[in-house]
Amino acid sequence: GAVVSQHPSRVICKSGTSVKIECRSLDFQATTMFWYRQFPKKSLMLMATSNEGSKATYEQGVEKDKFLINHASLTLSTLTVTSAHPEDSSFYICSARVGQGKNIQYFGAGTRLSVL
Amino acid sequence: TQLLEQSPQFLSIQEGENLTVYCNSSSVFSSLQWYRQEPGEGPVLLVTVVTGGEVKKLKRLTFQFGDARKDSSLHITAAQPGDTGLYLCAGAPGYQKVTFGTGTKLQVIP
Repeated sequence: GAVVSQHPSRVICKSGTSVKIECRSLDFQATTMFWYRQFPKKSLMLMATSNEGSKATYEQGVEKDKFLINHASLTLSTLTVTSAHPEDSSFYICSARVGQGKNIQYFGAGTRLSVL
Repeated sequence: TQLLEQSPQFLSIQEGENLTVYCNSSSVFSSLQWYRQEPGEGPVLLVTVVTGGEVKKLKRLTFQFGDARKDSSLHITAAQPGDTGLYLCAGAPGYQKVTFGTGTKLQVIP
């Protein structure tokens, strides 16, 4: 299957700082990537859809100024959590959609963010 | 918003038992995927079903897509501790964003 790499796997930061998470498709090009947030023992909640070369599409209730998404190339999307607060602590997961006409996603391993 | 309801939410069984997880929606999906997620990891794709009535087997796992493409089931035969994890179904009506199910947390006790 396709490989998606997410980095870092875990990050601890102080309140008020910004954190950048990278999502890379290693063996395929992804025009569309997705960013999810997952709370403990819960399913995945879509935050935004990242489109290469254009602005991301955010889901209702997700602050675009808080969660900055950049999809500068066909293999890289980044999520920056700006001015992080303890309530932003969560498990963030990215995925990349494979192929035209298919709606199959492959996921990164996730990033555990802890804001102190 | 299309909702995908999974049942049961939690399942704790003894090694060797069989189980079935259900994924139901009022919407029609062009395709549906099943994923397994272990704690601290991202979801791993198990299977994709696209045709109504389709049945796919992956070793001890059997996946079925409903005839009307609104529901799916995952059956595990002779469950093993390694099957423990969060099982998620996911689907989209077409080429739209994927919606994830509510999840089923499975624990297989040795």
